[in-house]
Amino acid sequence: GIQVEQSPPDLILQEGANSTLRCNFSDSVNNLQWFHQNPWGQLINLFYIPSGTKQNGRLSATTVATERYSLLYISSSQTTDSGVYFCAVEIQSGTYKYIFGTGTRLKVLA
Amino acid sequence: DTAVSQTPKYLVTQMGNDKSIKCEQNLGHDTMYWYKQDSKKFLKIMFSYNNKELIINETVPNRFSPKSPDKAHLNLHINSLELGDSAVYFCASSQVGSYEQYFGPGTRLTVT
Repeated sequence: GIQVEQSPPDLILQEGANSTLRCNFSDSVNNLQWFHQNPWGQLINLFYIPSGTKQNGRLSATTVATERYSLLYISSSQTTDSGVYFCAVEIQSGTYKYIFGTGTRLKVLA
Repeated sequence: DTAVSQTPKYLVTQMGNDKSIKCEQNLGHDTMYWYKQDSKKFLKIMFSYNNKELIINETVPNRFSPKSPDKAHLNLHINSLELGDSAVYFCASSQVGSYEQYFGPGTRLTVT
């Protein structure tokens, strides 16, 4: 089956720093989402980005589907950015089967 | 208004018991899901329902039985609970054509 690997697995930043999180997938995908799981466990939608680039405030994401990766950029990080970041891919349109990546655990220090 | 809600938030029970987790969404979505997150934070899909019909059953033991009484609700019933069932269970929903999933707050199940 498809493998969805995220890197780095763990990341510690000082407040104000920038970072790039990566999601690699081993096969073609139809849909891709990025989520943030906050320290209270809530999974929050960040981006739906099967291809191209999107920006939302300090966050932006780029997916290059032909090269099977997606990047999440966090600029001017804040302590509230701490948590685990997941990408999730749908292998085939209409299957409703999302495979989650291994996650990147981010801690932002004040 | 909460978009996707789950009850209960915490569930502690003994091995062998039967328990249910309820999920409701008020987004008007037609697809709902159950995910299991283990102690290492790995998220894995268990079931998905589209218009009250089962679409995906990901090799989940048949002790787990989802039930969708209508498009807004997807409940998860678990029989004969085992220690390995301890996890956080998330409900999610999406709309056909949109594919963006929205998650509930999760139910932390602890089996002792």
